[in-house]
Amino acid sequence: DIVLTQAPLSVSVTPGESASISCRSSKSLLSSKGITSLYWYLQKPGKSPQLLIYRMSNLASGVPDRFSGSGSETDFTLKISKVETEDVGVYYCAQFLEYPPTFGSGTKLEIK
Amino acid sequence: QVQLKETGPDLVQLTQTLSITCTVSGFSLTTYNVHWVRQPPGKGLEWMGAMWNGGGTDYNSAFKSRLSISRDTSKSQVFLKMNSLQTEDTAKYFCARQGRATRAFDYWGQGVMVTVSS
Repeated sequence: DIVLTQAPLSVSVTPGESASISCRSSKSLLSSKGITSLYWYLQKPGKSPQLLIYRMSNLASGVPDRFSGSGSETDFTLKISKVETEDVGVYYCAQFLEYPPTFGSGTKLEIK
Repeated sequence: QVQLKETGPDLVQLTQTLSITCTVSGFSLTTYNVHWVRQPPGKGLEWMGAMWNGGGTDYNSAFKSRLSISRDTSKSQVFLKMNSLQTEDTAKYFCARQGRATRAFDYWGQGVMVTVSS
């Protein structure tokens, strides 16, 4: 199975500042079709995960453009610019290149 | 609009069988894949298996032969059944739709919290 390693475990951010979360894959997530199958989710407290970014850098519908995704074949970053209080929760990266789909262990974002 | 809702027991006895129903609306099970994902309390997400739109299934080998997924398209329902439950199966169980364009799990149910009790 593909292992996704996230860092840091938690991050505390002042509203208005930026935050970055890293996700490293044990295997290249670049498919033969040139698509990088890395996704980002946010799970707000007590809620289901919601899709933020698909295929490494594409913003999901309804997601503010404060969120952005970037990376290479194995190293990925989610950046949140101008963090707001509503951004608190646990961020997960996920891969759907191979089955089983796997998730990172999560990064908890807190507000200072 | 797209909705998924899981229904199932709050409590299951040790070694017994868990049955959860995912009822969907706003899309067809013959067009979209539906997956099951679980999350133990305070922990991360674990993919369990899938019901493909064509009627086939796929399972995480971690669940070996304990897991079964089926559906009733006439009722827009997908079923999860897992036997030989252990305390480590205590978790919130989600069903989620897989988007056709994004290939991501784009809509999720609210989940059902299941506790395995001895």
